[in-house]
Amino acid sequence: QVQLQESGPGLVKPSETLSLSCTVSGDSVNSHSWSWIRQPPGKGLEFIGYISDSGSTNYNPSLKSRVTISRDTSDNQLSLKLSSVTAADTAVYYCARRGGYCSGGTCELDYWGQGTLVTVSS
Amino acid sequence: EIVLSQSPATLSLSPGERATLSCRASQSVGNYLAWYQQKPGQAPRLLIYDVSNRATAIPARFSGSGSGTDFTLTISSLEPEDFAIYYCLQRYNWPLTFGGGTKVEIK
Repeated sequence: QVQLQESGPGLVKPSETLSLSCTVSGDSVNSHSWSWIRQPPGKGLEFIGYISDSGSTNYNPSLKSRVTISRDTSDNQLSLKLSSVTAADTAVYYCARRGGYCSGGTCELDYWGQGTLVTVSS
Repeated sequence: EIVLSQSPATLSLSPGERATLSCRASQSVGNYLAWYQQKPGQAPRLLIYDVSNRATAIPARFSGSGSGTDFTLTISSLEPEDFAIYYCLQRYNWPLTFGGGTKVEIK
């Protein structure tokens, strides 16, 4: 059974860097593509970016200048860093696996973490 | 960026009724259209992928249809556990984008 668990500070000050981890169990971060998605309170979902099984990354152009996604294969963890945050970055942040339901070389998001709320406030 | 527009924003129905949700794309997404269900305080769950294929353990009352730019999720007979928010997602182009969601609420 694949499980994902996000962790990190629940409160970040404006202009600082948001840093989150996602611990994966039941699968390897070297397998499949792993994504970060966020959801502002009461609003819809936004795809932040992903890291592929080969380690390459791809980021949403709207966030590209501020985002870094990486992985630690020894700890089987993913990480998300978002710099220069503002109140608009307040959201529930999810990590998710892209796998299991694939065609044309891409896959759907089949396993998700439960999400972690990050509030940007001084 | 491909924009997905979902309608209606809210659907008020009673258990046992049929629900029809729409997702329209700003350009063709081929068959790379999926539907997700989200309940309060939970992560989204994959229901339908590649327009019309049900994910594992998804009941047969959920079905998807459409092509190109116009897609539909149908719930043939609403069960109490189906009242939730539904999102469509396209993976045809980067960045992947979600629709704004349709809330199915109890009438």
